[in-house]
Amino acid sequence: GAGVSQSPRYKVAKRGQDVALRCDPISGHVSLFWYQQALGQGPEFLTYFQNEAQLDKSGLPSDRFFAERPEGSVSTLKIQRTQQEDSAVYLCASSLEGSYSPLHFGNGTRLTVT
Amino acid sequence: KQEVTQIPAALSVPEGENLVLNCSFTDSAIYNLQWFRQDPGKGLTSLLLIQSSQREQTSGRLNASLDKSSGRSTLYIAASQPGDSATYLCAVPISGGYQKVTFGTGTKLQVIP
Repeated sequence: GAGVSQSPRYKVAKRGQDVALRCDPISGHVSLFWYQQALGQGPEFLTYFQNEAQLDKSGLPSDRFFAERPEGSVSTLKIQRTQQEDSAVYLCASSLEGSYSPLHFGNGTRLTVT
Repeated sequence: KQEVTQIPAALSVPEGENLVLNCSFTDSAIYNLQWFRQDPGKGLTSLLLIQSSQREQTSGRLNASLDKSSGRSTLYIAASQPGDSATYLCAVPISGGYQKVTFGTGTKLQVIP
């Protein structure tokens, strides 16, 4: 497709369950980012990939959060043993390589942990 | 640490008005600044990206300016329309070499028909 695609759009998980969120970036985009957006706030950086290499994971809030991009295209954000504070919208963005290219965001996955 | 502030937090204007949204940042050593809009329940749509060497960028009714020395950017919307109603966010990089950005909390705009 022409844009960044994320699935599922909505996910409800019971506390303690594991979840996996998928991101399909724009074809040819080297850089891929995950952001977390709480209600009424701007997105917060979680992690960054350049191709398949995870170069920055400084924003991941705990070791329950894990992201991968094994073939340098599709990425998965996994959250283990979900907690209520994990409830948020998870946004994926991609861009061409480098610092001069705009970020293109998907519509996000809204995660609700009950 | 880069901090981004957007003023006002909310704005309501009648259709047809010109308006200005403000974004300020604390660390002026940035190489670009990007403006986005976000519709309820949706992701972010890129509006304009201004490189540090530029002072402004225009796209249709939108014009964004950047003053690095004062740590400010403005987004000017001409002849506002109800379809412009959304939350507008600015984002600045917090790391060199790639687009790791920090966002302001946004300005929620309502254009009244």
